[in-house]
Amino acid sequence: DIQMTQSPSSLSASVGDRVTITCRTSQTIINYLNWYQQKPGEGPKLLIYAASSLQSGVPSRFSGSGSGTDFTLTISTLQPEDFATYYCQQTYNVPYFGQGTRLEVK
Amino acid sequence: EVQLVESGGGLVQPGGSLRLSCAASGFSFNTYWMNWLRQAPGKGLEWVANIRHDGYEKYYVDSVKGRFTISRDNAKNSLYLQMNNLRAEDTAIYYCAGQVVLATTKWYFDLWGRGTLVTVSS
Repeated sequence: DIQMTQSPSSLSASVGDRVTITCRTSQTIINYLNWYQQKPGEGPKLLIYAASSLQSGVPSRFSGSGSGTDFTLTISTLQPEDFATYYCQQTYNVPYFGQGTRLEVK
Repeated sequence: EVQLVESGGGLVQPGGSLRLSCAASGFSFNTYWMNWLRQAPGKGLEWVANIRHDGYEKYYVDSVKGRFTISRDNAKNSLYLQMNNLRAEDTAIYYCAGQVVLATTKWYFDLWGRGTLVTVSS
């Protein structure tokens, strides 16, 4: 099984900050990685697919990069509505998720 | 408006059964792979099962094989999950999700419901 390791598990930041979340996989998954945002009481929302493709309707302050085993999600200028939990998910085989990164208000 | 609405969750004793439903509207349900995922309280996301648009391919995570059955009724725009021999570790919010497939390894969960809570406890 492919292990997914997200870091950090939680992060405190302020509106306007630049935020980076990392996802590392135990074996190469090329660029077969998606990123989701989840707010309390809601289902997740797709942000990025195939490591770097921005889903339609998602603000351009979100970006994804990486390939092989190391991937990042970056929020360039944090907005109030961005405080949520973020998950990476691989599509190489069984769709495992990372354990999540909780982004909190500093 | 695209909508997925799960129902059927509740409290069940270990060893019991439950059938979840997901009602879809606002999109071409019969063209989508559909999935069930779950999230234990305060925990991360886990994919449970999926089913091809025509119902002829189904896949499951190892921990539910032989106990859970995914099915769909395209005439009713509905997805189901029959859960038997439930265990405490099956306690979670269960989400249905639509899957967009661009290629074999290029796909994503695009549509999500709000989930239904299943609690397995005596």
